[in-house]
Amino acid sequence: AQSVAQPEDQVNVAEGNPLTVKCTYSVSGNPYLFWYVQYPNRGLQFLLKYITGDNLVKGSYGFEAEFNKSQTSFHLKKPSALVSDSALYFCAVRDNNNNDMRFGAGTRLTVKP
Amino acid sequence: KAGVTQTPRYLIKTRGQQVTLSCSPISGHRSVSWYQQTPGQGLQFLFEYFSETQRNKGNFPGRFSGRQFSNSRSEMNVSTLELGDSALYLCASSLLAGVSGANVLTFGAGSRLTVL
Repeated sequence: AQSVAQPEDQVNVAEGNPLTVKCTYSVSGNPYLFWYVQYPNRGLQFLLKYITGDNLVKGSYGFEAEFNKSQTSFHLKKPSALVSDSALYFCAVRDNNNNDMRFGAGTRLTVKP
Repeated sequence: KAGVTQTPRYLIKTRGQQVTLSCSPISGHRSVSWYQQTPGQGLQFLFEYFSETQRNKGNFPGRFSGRQFSNSRSEMNVSTLELGDSALYLCASSLLAGVSGANVLTFGAGSRLTVL
């Protein structure tokens, strides 16, 4: 079965600095990879996805993620963090065998002014 | 267009009771998935429905059940509630299910269940 690991419970960065939220995955076959963000008292919001093609995927709010097949990773990045980016971030994977979407445990990003 | 609607938003139950949560997907979406979110476990997959059929099921006890109606609305039920069932229950809908793994899930705001 597919699975996702987010090795960091918490990531702290200063506003204006680049940010990275890490994600590794395990799946049989080709993965479909996703990033979602959750703000307090809200459901999850879609940020970006990797299906095939270019390994660098661009998404909402200036976020991007890089797919690395050899390292089975899909790290979320942003060149310049904003205080408003502070939220809980989830990485998710779905294989191409019609299985359900599995999420990581989440990483809490805090951007300090 | 309206998003995914979950009701009730908040509820408090006592151990041993049962609860039913409702989810109305985005109009036109035929797939509904349910997740349990807790601080320590993150999002745990409960089940996925498509066209009134359960397609996938997570690793939860039989006390957790669900169903989907012909209008794609879905309900989940938890019987004989335990303290550990306290969580945010999230529903997500998508246009199709599994036909393309690339389908994006759209989440509702969740139903926060507290079991006393």
